[in-house]
Amino acid sequence: AQSVTQPDIHITVSEGASLELRCNYSYGATPYLFWYVQSPGQGLQLLLKYFSGDTLVQGIKGFEAEFKRSQSSFNLRKPSVHWSDAAEYFCAMNFGNEKLTFGTGTRLTIIP
Amino acid sequence: NAGVTQTPKFQVLKTGQSMTLQCAQDMNHEYMSWYRQDPGMGLRLIHYSVGAGITDQGEVPNGYNVSRSTTEDFPLRLLSAAPSQTSVYFCASSPSPYEQYFGPGTRLTVT
Repeated sequence: AQSVTQPDIHITVSEGASLELRCNYSYGATPYLFWYVQSPGQGLQLLLKYFSGDTLVQGIKGFEAEFKRSQSSFNLRKPSVHWSDAAEYFCAMNFGNEKLTFGTGTRLTIIP
Repeated sequence: NAGVTQTPKFQVLKTGQSMTLQCAQDMNHEYMSWYRQDPGMGLRLIHYSVGAGITDQGEVPNGYNVSRSTTEDFPLRLLSAAPSQTSVYFCASSPSPYEQYFGPGTRLTVT
């Protein structure tokens, strides 16, 4: 069965530190890959997407993600986090149909 | 462009009441979807539409109806609200089946 897994429910990092949020999938081919961010009380905003080509993709707000086929992963990274990055992050995938499948989300807390 | 708009922002219903959550988009997108968001469960697809007059069920369709008479609007109807439908509801639209653009959400409480 197709699935998206975000193994970390909650991550805390210090402001200025680097960040990596994990996302793995189960699928027999390469899905279309997305990361969304949700600030408290807000809707979801698309950070970046991967369809094909260069496996390192750049997004908005200084985020990047790397697709690793061998690990079935699409991890989100940022070299230096800011307090405003505190939010919930969702990995999502399209497995070749009309639907997006979401992971359960990772809540990011930033400490000064 | 206003993007995707949803009304109301907040709603409280009693068990058994009916209501319609409104969703509109002004981007001429063919694809529209409804999701519900519950703590620890991410977003789950309720219903979606690939164009006016065409709708289909998602992962959790029970208790919800949709119709798509125009490209712009995709209302979600709760016929007889239940406490299990307490959730935050998001509408999304997209020009393709892939990346989606989300509205601000409707927070629904059923007592």
